[in-house]
Amino acid sequence: KQEVTQIPAALSVPEGENLVLNCSFTDSAIYNLQWFRQDPGKGLTSLLLIQSSQREQTSGRLNASLDKSSGRSTLYIAASQPGDSATYLCAVWGSGAGSYQLTFGKGTKLSVIP
Amino acid sequence: DTGVSQDPRHKITKRGQNVTFRCDPISEHNRLYWYRQTLGQGPEFLTYFQNEAQLEKSRLLSDRFSAERPKGSFSTLEIQRTEQGDSAMYLCASSLEAVSNSPLHFGNGTRLTVT
Repeated sequence: KQEVTQIPAALSVPEGENLVLNCSFTDSAIYNLQWFRQDPGKGLTSLLLIQSSQREQTSGRLNASLDKSSGRSTLYIAASQPGDSATYLCAVWGSGAGSYQLTFGKGTKLSVIP
Repeated sequence: DTGVSQDPRHKITKRGQNVTFRCDPISEHNRLYWYRQTLGQGPEFLTYFQNEAQLEKSRLLSDRFSAERPKGSFSTLEIQRTEQGDSAMYLCASSLEAVSNSPLHFGNGTRLTVT
């Protein structure tokens, strides 16, 4: 059974800092990995999707990397802003049994202090 | 693209009552998913539709839960004889056909509180 772990569970940084969020998964047989953002009481917003054949994806100040063989992904946020404060969730699509579902980590709660 | 919409946003019900939630996916998306999220946890998969066919159900989906997508467009999730443990955020998501390069788009969820 696929398990996804996100470290740290919470992170507080001053505005302007660069930061890295970590995600690890136990089964490397995946189609892709997706990073989401969730604001309190809201649904999830897709940030980046990395296919299993890719190493990284970039969107604005966000860069996500994928090392499938080691079961790891990182989300890099450059020049953080207070508006980046949210919970960031990592999720993987399995390519084996249960391949119709995303498996999520518990998230990293980010606070960017003005 | 108006996004995935869910109704209601909040539902408070007494234990033992039945509740029904609705999800309207993005119009051209033929895949629809239901997830459940409790406080401090990531979403957990409940069930998945491709068009009107329900192709996968999680073991989390007890016999008190039923989901439908009658015409391959909107979907409903019904919980019968609600229990306090059913209190959670119920999230709906949709996507296009190809799994490998099609991100999931989520709605804002329905928050259920069972008293």
